[in-house]
Amino acid sequence: KQEVTQIPAALSVPEGENLVLNCSFTDSAIYNLQWFRQDPGKGLTSLLLIQSSQREQTSGRLNASLDKSSGRSTLYIAASQPGDSATYLCAVRPVGGTSYGKLTFGQGTILTVHP
Amino acid sequence: GAGVSQSPSNKVTEKGKDVELRCDPISGHTALYWYRQSLGQGLEFLIYFQGNSAPDKSGLPSDRFSAERTGGSVSTLTIQRTQQEDSAVYLCASSPTGELFFGEGSRLTVL
Repeated sequence: KQEVTQIPAALSVPEGENLVLNCSFTDSAIYNLQWFRQDPGKGLTSLLLIQSSQREQTSGRLNASLDKSSGRSTLYIAASQPGDSATYLCAVRPVGGTSYGKLTFGQGTILTVHP
Repeated sequence: GAGVSQSPSNKVTEKGKDVELRCDPISGHTALYWYRQSLGQGLEFLIYFQGNSAPDKSGLPSDRFSAERTGGSVSTLTIQRTQQEDSAVYLCASSPTGELFFGEGSRLTVL
C-alpha cells in the first residue's frame, strides 16, 4: 500500500527566505506526482505536475524535483512571500490499471510566511 | 465558469437524513474524482469515473455511499442515512489527462 509522508508538518519563515518542502513515498511505481496548495476553507489548487519520466518542473518561483528511485520529491519556493502561506500537499498517482484513479495524498505541510 | 463547480458549499443535516452533493466538472474533462477530507485527516479517495468505463468505487466507505455521473459530465454523490462520522469536506476534481483540478468542496455537517 502506498504511503506518502510530508516533512515538516509545519514551517514558519520570515518573508524573503528560500525554503524546501519534502514529500516521500514508499512505492516507486508511480505514474506522476502533483503538488497542490490549499488555502483555509478552500479546495486544492494545482501547482506543479511531474511525470514519472521527468526530474523537475518549474513555475515562477516554484521548482519541484522528483527522484522516483529513492521515493522523494521536493518543492522549492524561492523568495517566499506572505501570500505563499497555505497548506502544501503532494499526491502520487499509481501506474495504470485498476488503481489509476486512486491518488495517495500526504498530510500536508502548513507554511506560514510572516512579514 | 471555467473551474470545477460544487454545490452546496455547505450542508447541515440531521443524523439519518439523505444528502446529495453535486459536481460540475470542467467541460471536456473525461475523468472525475470524489475525495473526502476530514478534520485533521488527509484526503481519502472515494470514487473515480473515466469516460464510459465502469467507475472505480473501491474507496466508498459503506453501502450508504453511492455516486453517479450522467452523460459523462455532472456527478452526484449520495449519502443515505447520514451518520456523524460522515461529517467532512467532500471534494470533487476533474482531469483531462493526468493533472487534477479541484472544486472548492462541499462541507457536510451531520448533527
